[in-house]
Amino acid sequence: QQQVKQSPQSLIVQKGGISIINCAYENTAFDYFPWYQQFPGKGPALLIAIRPDVSEKKEGRFTISFNKSAKQFSLHIMDSQPGDSATYFCAALNYGQNFVFGPGTRLSVLP
Amino acid sequence: DTGVSQDPRHKITKRGQNVTFRCDPISEHNRLYWYRQTLGQGPEFLTYFQNEAQLEKSRLLSDRFSAERPKGSFSTLEIQRTEQGDSAMYLCASSSQGGAVTEAFFGQGTRLTVV
Repeated sequence: QQQVKQSPQSLIVQKGGISIINCAYENTAFDYFPWYQQFPGKGPALLIAIRPDVSEKKEGRFTISFNKSAKQFSLHIMDSQPGDSATYFCAALNYGQNFVFGPGTRLSVLP
Repeated sequence: DTGVSQDPRHKITKRGQNVTFRCDPISEHNRLYWYRQTLGQGPEFLTYFQNEAQLEKSRLLSDRFSAERPKGSFSTLEIQRTEQGDSAMYLCASSSQGGAVTEAFFGQGTRLTVV
């Protein structure tokens, strides 16, 4: 029940395209959902986060869509750029406990 | 630099040796997490502290692993009698837990190689 599922495992997108990564969870006690971006050899960097009382949050080219009833949330990267090529992790937090991470999606944006 | 700092960045050790890693969180953050990440995988939770209290430990944290956070500031993670399976990136993160959750920020990690 603590698991967060993430898909796809890898994604190839043309420059200027939209990258979409999906996550799903089971534990309804999760109440905070961040996305992290990680480049090789670096620690994960917080990208954007959402709480379940909001259905969408946008920051620049990055948007989180959240469907509480389906227990799913997704990251959309608009106008994808080669510099966005990285591994993306969704995560979920049960307040008072620890963050649970998805297995990651390796995104490659072709020039 | 006001981010999460980890030291060392890289550590190579022989099997059976003890190693210790240090994490300095963002100064106003009262919660500190340790995670382990192997190649191609997401971070796996090891343990976390609220101030100086260690509130939860994962079953991944065998008795060879110990973590401390004296005075609720920096934290250390020690691995005794290292094994090749301990080779991984060890990540530290900090956040401020109060009335509402705030973001957790990660350090650059310590990459451990056990030979």
